[in-house]
Amino acid sequence: AQSVAQPEDQVNVAEGNPLTVKCTYSVSGNPYLFWYVQYPNRGLQFLLKYITGDNLVKGSYGFEAEFNKSQTSFHLKKPSALVSDSALYFCAVRVPGSSNTGKLIFGQGTTLQVKP
Amino acid sequence: KAGVTQTPRYLIKTRGQQVTLSCSPISGHRSVSWYQQTPGQGLQFLFEYFSETQRNKGNFPGRFSGRQFSNSRSEMNVSTLELGDSALYLCASTSFGLAASDTQYFGPGTRLTVL
Repeated sequence: AQSVAQPEDQVNVAEGNPLTVKCTYSVSGNPYLFWYVQYPNRGLQFLLKYITGDNLVKGSYGFEAEFNKSQTSFHLKKPSALVSDSALYFCAVRVPGSSNTGKLIFGQGTTLQVKP
Repeated sequence: KAGVTQTPRYLIKTRGQQVTLSCSPISGHRSVSWYQQTPGQGLQFLFEYFSETQRNKGNFPGRFSGRQFSNSRSEMNVSTLELGDSALYLCASTSFGLAASDTQYFGPGTRLTVL
């Protein structure tokens, strides 16, 4: 079965410190990888995606993600966390193929708590 | 461009009733996907529509259905509501949705509570 895992339910980091939110995937073929963020009572906001090319992808609000094919991972990173980054983060994959049209497979989400 | 809009934002229904949720995609987008978000099951794919046709469907019972109109607006319907249908229902739009690399842009969701 195709799946995405976010091994940490919650990540705590002090403001100004670097942050990492982990994501690993288990899918067939060569998937496309996405990160979304969700603030309370809001929908999902797109941060970045990996399609091909450079393994380090830069996205919105200073976030970046590192794709590692051998480890099937796509960890989200930010050099210096802000209190306003506190939210729920989702990793997602999209597998090419007609049977997967329009379908993202999501991890269970990681709550990021940035403390002042 | 305006983002994805969903109406209503909140709904309270009782068991056995039916409900219809609406989603207007970003202007020019023709693909709409629906997801259910619950604390226990997380985010799960319901179905996807393109050009008024359902192209893909997730593992949900037949009580969950949808449709898409010629202007790409989409509705989903849940009949014979159960307590377990309480969730945040999210829709997402994509320009054409033909490439797996296309980004899905999400609306704010409709919070459905079933009593």
